Amino acid sequence: DQQVKQNSPSLSVQEGRISILNCDYTNSMFDYFLWYKKYPAEGPTFLISISSIKDKNEDGRFTVFLNKSAKHLSLHIVPSQPGDSAVYFCAASARGSSNTGKLIFGQGTTLQVKP
Amino acid sequence: DTGVSQDPRHKITKRGQNVTFRCDPISEHNRLYWYRQTLGQGPEFLTYFQNEAQLEKSRLLSDRFSAERPKGSFSTLEIQRTEQGDSAMYLCASSLVGVRMVQFFGPGTRLTVL
Repeated sequence: DQQVKQNSPSLSVQEGRISILNCDYTNSMFDYFLWYKKYPAEGPTFLISISSIKDKNEDGRFTVFLNKSAKHLSLHIVPSQPGDSAVYFCAASARGSSNTGKLIFGQGTTLQVKP
Repeated sequence: DTGVSQDPRHKITKRGQNVTFRCDPISEHNRLYWYRQTLGQGPEFLTYFQNEAQLEKSRLLSDRFSAERPKGSFSTLEIQRTEQGDSAMYLCASSLVGVRMVQFFGPGTRLTVL
């Protein structure tokens, strides 16, 4: 049961253009969403997050949009740079009495930014 | 470097052997998580500690797996009688207690079971 899905395994964009990475979720209890970037042989690095009470959060070149009715979020990178080439993971956590904060991850999207 | 550290970075072992991994979280973080990542997949939650208490374990964590966090500082993950299916990247993350706290990940331990 894949509660968080990233349906595009890979994405290739030209340097300077916009990269849009998509993520869908099924669990309506999810109330906090994060994007992580991962280079080979390294652990995931936190990029940006959004709470379910918002529909947009921006941090420099990175913007995350949340559409709760569609259970969909996206990460926009503008402008894209070659150093952005990595695997991007969408993750979600659910509210609940245990409040462990454990993350449920998507499968990842490999972004390649061409010079 | 005040980030999350993990040791060893790589471990190759033969099927049936026991292995132990260590995670040192960011010093002021009281929450610690273990995840496992296989090729082409995102990290999957294994277990969670708040201070020294292990508060949640995934169904993925079979009886051959055990984790500890003595004194609420570093943590160890032991796998007994390793199987080839245990080959994966084992990731440790830490965070502060609170709502919407970001988890910071270590570099991971790559386990290969021959």
